[in-house]
Amino acid sequence: NAGVTQTPKFRVLKTGQSMTLLCAQDMNHEYMYWYRQDPGMGLRLIHYSVGEGTTAKGEVPDGYNVSRLKKQNFLLGLESAAPSQTSVYFCASRIYHPGAEAFFGQGTRLTVV
Amino acid sequence: GENVEQHPSTLSVQEGDSAVIKCTYSDSASNYFPWYKQELGKRPQLIIDIRSNVGEKKDQRIAVTLNKTAKHFSLHITETQPEDSAVYFCAASNSGGGADGLTFGKGTHLIIQP
Repeated sequence: NAGVTQTPKFRVLKTGQSMTLLCAQDMNHEYMYWYRQDPGMGLRLIHYSVGEGTTAKGEVPDGYNVSRLKKQNFLLGLESAAPSQTSVYFCASRIYHPGAEAFFGQGTRLTVV
Repeated sequence: GENVEQHPSTLSVQEGDSAVIKCTYSDSASNYFPWYKQELGKRPQLIIDIRSNVGEKKDQRIAVTLNKTAKHFSLHITETQPEDSAVYFCAASNSGGGADGLTFGKGTHLIIQP
């Protein structure tokens, strides 16, 4: 049981390049989330999904797109990377039950130069 | 939306002493308050949580208290040990709706001095 797995773990992009971060969970969780973590800022919600085929915006959605074509996968896309998107990205998932624990992936460290 | 304030940003205590981290929230509809611990380079992991129908919860050396009237909750760690050194995040959500994720505080860097 791998839990929540993020791919890749590290990436360096040039400004304007695009990339996709993959989050995969094997716990059959309904809800999935993408957060970014910046020094002194805590974790801020980018986008989330309550089920296959559904997505919604979080606190800081600009510059990102997401897709949930399969229940176990949640993809985060950057169409045209900017230095302001340099951050550590965490995916999380949980069951639909109110107050259920959110499980986090190991993080993706992205640097945009 | 919800706003969570966390204090202090850095806390240094002597090994064996107690540590207290405090958070306030703005949305009176929030009713689920977890605390996460994040060691350097690792993922956040849940250490304790509390729901609005209780005022206090304890698990060995850690405890959380909640004051819904004042809209604040606190993490208490007693008999601190070197392995308690980490960044701690409080969070809040309306678990009745629940789907729209957790709102996190900015974190407290806890340093345990030997």
